[in-house]
Amino acid sequence: EAGVAQSPRYKIIEKRQSVAFWCNPISGHATLYWYQQILGQGPKLLIQFQNNGVVDDSQLPKDRFSAERLKGVDSTLKIQPAKLEDSAVYLCASSLVEGGGYTEAFFGQGTRLTVV
Amino acid sequence: GEDVEQSLFLSVREGDSSVINCTYTDSSSTYLYWYKQEPGAGLQLLTYIFSNMDMKQDQRLTVLLNKKDKHLSLRIADTQTGDSAIYFCAESKGTGANNLFFGTGTRLTVIP
Repeated sequence: EAGVAQSPRYKIIEKRQSVAFWCNPISGHATLYWYQQILGQGPKLLIQFQNNGVVDDSQLPKDRFSAERLKGVDSTLKIQPAKLEDSAVYLCASSLVEGGGYTEAFFGQGTRLTVV
Repeated sequence: GEDVEQSLFLSVREGDSSVINCTYTDSSSTYLYWYKQEPGAGLQLLTYIFSNMDMKQDQRLTVLLNKKDKHLSLRIADTQTGDSAIYFCAESKGTGANNLFFGTGTRLTVIP
């Protein structure tokens, strides 16, 4: 079974530039998450989708971050404009539909963003 | 709000047992998890425990949960060099992967 695919693996941009990350979840997984992991910290949830709807985006800095999952499968996360403090690994995860027992989140390898 | 704390570093000799500890503050947590992160890799779920359990064993891994003290531990028996990684404790209030709150991670170094 293919895992969660993310691209690119690495990205270096200058502050105030824009950047986009792509995620392809495991086939059949309705729930998709984007996490931000700053160096030396644990991952922090940015946004959660169920199919193409947003379930939770309370931690997403909406002035500069946006995410979409238009067809309920792939997702993109965009930062515009980037700040130095956005340097982090951006992890995508997916799981089966929530509700009714335990569901495991499967994580991709992440995209390491460096803002200079 | 939620707060999950872990010590940052742990070193053990190969063949010894490792014990990684975690404390959390949210008593309404439903599931507690241990994830492993190797360099350049995503997070891999090692094991989880439901909040009404106090122990779970899975091969070399033993999870102990003290709900009264909000303390979670992961014991790795016969630690191998391949166990060197960062271990994250996480909790959620949902039925599974919903809104995981992670600790800062414990870097385990296994000395040959």
